[in-house]
Amino acid sequence: ETGVTQTPRHLVMGMTNKKSLKCEQHLGHNAMYWYKQSAKKPLELMFVYNFKEQTENNSVPSRFSPECPNSSHLFLHLHTLQPEDSALYLCASSQDRAGGLSGTDTQYFGPGTRLTVL
Amino acid sequence: EDQVTQSPEALRLQEGESSSLNCSYTVSGLRGLFWYRQDPGKGPEFLFTLYSAGEEKEKERLKATLTKKESFLHITAPKPEDSATYLCAVKSGGSYIPTFGRGTSLIVHP
Repeated sequence: ETGVTQTPRHLVMGMTNKKSLKCEQHLGHNAMYWYKQSAKKPLELMFVYNFKEQTENNSVPSRFSPECPNSSHLFLHLHTLQPEDSALYLCASSQDRAGGLSGTDTQYFGPGTRLTVL
Repeated sequence: EDQVTQSPEALRLQEGESSSLNCSYTVSGLRGLFWYRQDPGKGPEFLFTLYSAGEEKEKERLKATLTKKESFLHITAPKPEDSATYLCAVKSGGSYIPTFGRGTSLIVHP
C-alpha cells in the first residue's frame, strides 16, 4: 500500500460503544495528524504527533483518545460519543511538524473514516 | 490569528468554461499556501504548494498563482471530472499548523 490509509472507511456506533480508528502512513513521515470534518465547516485539527510525541491537543473532549505507537501508525480511540461527533475523520501525515521550505510542509491525507453516532 | 477566506462558496460551470477560485489570507509571515481537491466522502488530495508571491504552478487544467494577499486557482476548459471541493490552507511563521478555508464547491456540467 502507498500513501496514507485509514480503517475502517465507515463506522456506525452507539453512544455507549468503544471503537478505534486506525491510520497508517507509508511515506516515511514523522508527523501525523487527526482532523474532524463536519458539513459546511473548515477542517478542525484535533491532535498532532511529531516523532511519536503528542505536540498539539486542540481542546478535544476526553471521549477522543489518540495513540501513536510509532511514526507510521496513529489511532483514535472513541468512547461514549455524542451524535454531534458524527463526521468524517481524516488522518494526515507530513515529513515533520516543523517542515521547511523544501516542500516538506505539505500534509498528505488519508481517505477518511465516515463516523455515525446513533 | 491566521485567516483564510475562499470564494465563491459554490461555482457552477459549463464544460469548457474557464474560471478562477479565490483564496484570500491573512497571516503573520507566510510559510506556505496549499491547494487540495476533495471528492465527496474522501480525503483531500494534494495539488500545489506555493511559497512566495509571484510563484505559479500548473497541473493539467489547473494553475495556481500567489500574491501577498491571495491565491487564485485557475481552471482552464474544465471537464465534468474536475467537479469537487477545492480547499485552500496556509501555514504561517506563527504556527506550524495549517489553517484551512471552508472550500469552494465546483460543479462542471457536461
